[in-house]
Amino acid sequence: DAGVIQSPRHEVTEMGQEVTLRCKPISGHNSLFWYRQTMMRGLELLIYFNNNVPIDDSGMPEDRFSAKMPNASFSTLKIQPSEPRDSAVYFCASRHLNTDTQYFGPGTRLTVL
Amino acid sequence: KNEVEQSPQNLTAQEGEFITINCSYSVGISALHWLQQHPGGGIVSLFMLSSGKKKHGRLIATINIQEKHSSLHITASHPRDSAVYICAVLNYGGSQGNLIFGKGTKLSVKP
Repeated sequence: DAGVIQSPRHEVTEMGQEVTLRCKPISGHNSLFWYRQTMMRGLELLIYFNNNVPIDDSGMPEDRFSAKMPNASFSTLKIQPSEPRDSAVYFCASRHLNTDTQYFGPGTRLTVL
Repeated sequence: KNEVEQSPQNLTAQEGEFITINCSYSVGISALHWLQQHPGGGIVSLFMLSSGKKKHGRLIATINIQEKHSSLHITASHPRDSAVYICAVLNYGGSQGNLIFGKGTKLSVKP
């Protein structure tokens, strides 16, 4: 299995631009998580889905952030408009609902200038 | 005060040493995870435990629910163990995604 796939691996953009991060979970996994990691705050859960349905989005910082999971094999995290304080590494993780182990993707390093 | 505290923040050891990383939490939990983040940034789940002790190779994780404390031990440490180790707790009564993370312990093992 290829593991959790994220794209792009690196993204540099200017303030005000729209940013879309993508995630492909491990085949057969039915729970997907989006995390953000910064030096100041460490790892934080943004949102997670079970069976493509958003369950808890209380970690989403504000309305500029949105996440979708149109099918079991694809999810997006969108930031519009982006701000410098959004600069972070964004991780996607997936798991099977019958287990507790999450498998993390390699992350997307986002820099907003 | 953070709900999940790890100590030490940084740890340098010589190859072969026995290493202990501590995690204390202040909330009720249903499970605790130990994660390893490699220097390249990748994150691997090491353990999930809700009581007692688990062992995987040279890694041992213990948890004391009454004292709200967990430890991660590495026996016969090796330079390839150099990484950031992150403790995360699953908040009791919270949804399955409600993981609260510690800030991590950066371990460097010198040859």
